Amino acid sequence: EVQLVESGGGLVQPGGSLRLSCAASEFTVSTISMSWVRQAPGKGLEWVSVIYNGGTTYYADSVMGRFTISRDTSKNTLYLQMNSLKTEDTAVYYCARGTPTSAGTLDYWGQGTLVTVSS
Amino acid sequence: DIQMTQSPSTLSASVGDRVTITCRASQSINSWLAWYQQKPGKAPKLLIYMASSLESGVPSRFSGSGSGTDFSLTISSLQPDDFATYYCQQHSSYPWTFGQGTKVEIK
Repeated sequence: EVQLVESGGGLVQPGGSLRLSCAASEFTVSTISMSWVRQAPGKGLEWVSVIYNGGTTYYADSVMGRFTISRDTSKNTLYLQMNSLKTEDTAVYYCARGTPTSAGTLDYWGQGTLVTVSS
Repeated sequence: DIQMTQSPSTLSASVGDRVTITCRASQSINSWLAWYQQKPGKAPKLLIYMASSLESGVPSRFSGSGSGTDFSLTISSLQPDDFATYYCQQHSSYPWTFGQGTKVEIK
């Protein structure tokens, strides 16, 4: 069964950095598009970033230049490097898989990892 | 950015009711639209993709329709497990955007 397990969340001060991981099983992260989506406490869903199987990446304007999406095929893991964190980055971060025919259709999601940016 | 506007924001309904949630895009997105269900403390679950295709394993009481700018999600007979928040999402152009959500509550 396809599984996505996020880790790496926690409490960080404004201006700090954090790297989230998303370990995948039963499929290979480099063969399909993968996204990060976040949800601030009590709020709706916000798409953050996508990496295509070919390596092309896109970002939301709110994280452009601060966040970097990447993957490690040997570990079958997706990452989100978050730098220059702001209080408004506080959210549960989900990784999600696109389908083979549509990167934006997110068919499997992880359970989420909470990032809290606070002094 | 393409804005996705859902209505209503909250919907009170009873088991067995037919429920429809609408989603309007600020510009045409063809059929590049998905619907998700989210329960408290859980990850979203894909229900409908490409505006009207039912995801495998999703009950047939869920259906989606629309194209261009106007879309809808219908639950033909609301079941106890369906009380949740529903989101539409466009992936026609970057940044991909979600509607603000529709919470379906027990009447």
